[in-house]
Amino acid sequence: DQQVKQNSPSLSVQEGRISILNCDYTNSMFDYFLWYKKYPAEGPTFLISISSIKDKNEDGRFTVFLNKSAKHLSLHIVPSQPGDSAVYFCAADMDSNYQLIWGAGTKLIIKP
Amino acid sequence: DTGVSQDPRHKITKRGQNVTFRCDPISEHNRLYWYRQTLGQGPEFLTYFQNEAQLEKSRLLSDRFSAERPKGSFSTLEIQRTEQGDSAMYLCASSSTGAGANVLTFGAGSRLTVL
Repeated sequence: DQQVKQNSPSLSVQEGRISILNCDYTNSMFDYFLWYKKYPAEGPTFLISISSIKDKNEDGRFTVFLNKSAKHLSLHIVPSQPGDSAVYFCAADMDSNYQLIWGAGTKLIIKP
Repeated sequence: DTGVSQDPRHKITKRGQNVTFRCDPISEHNRLYWYRQTLGQGPEFLTYFQNEAQLEKSRLLSDRFSAERPKGSFSTLEIQRTEQGDSAMYLCASSSTGAGANVLTFGAGSRLTVL
């Protein structure tokens, strides 16, 4: 049973435009969500997070939106840059602080 | 601090052999995690230490797997009698306690190929 789903295996976006990556979850007990970015041959790197008590968190070019009623979150990257090309993972936590549940990832390709 | 270090980066072994991976976390982090990632999937939790105590183990961690963290510093993950299904990337991560404990810092991983 996949509790965290990223339904788009890949996404291609023109440089300078907005990239929107989506994530759906099924467990309403999740109370913290994180986005990680992964380059080939490297481990995942933390990007941005959001608590379930908020609906938006912004950090520079990156904004995460949370819609709890729809059990959906999204990551917006504006403007997209070539260095943003990577695999993006959505992960969820349930107050335990030790066992993140991860989606399968979305490969983002930024076209010059 | 150079972040989370994992060794070896790549290991190719024959089925039935034992392998051991080492992880050196960020020195001030007292939490250490092992995850496994297969192609096209997100990381899957294996086990978690707070200091030297192993506090949680996933059902994925069969009795052929053992993890240790002596003295609460580096950790080792040993797989005995490897099987082809063990082929994966083994990721180690560390974090602090308190605020930001959810934010894990990962190493580059140890890729295991079982022939």
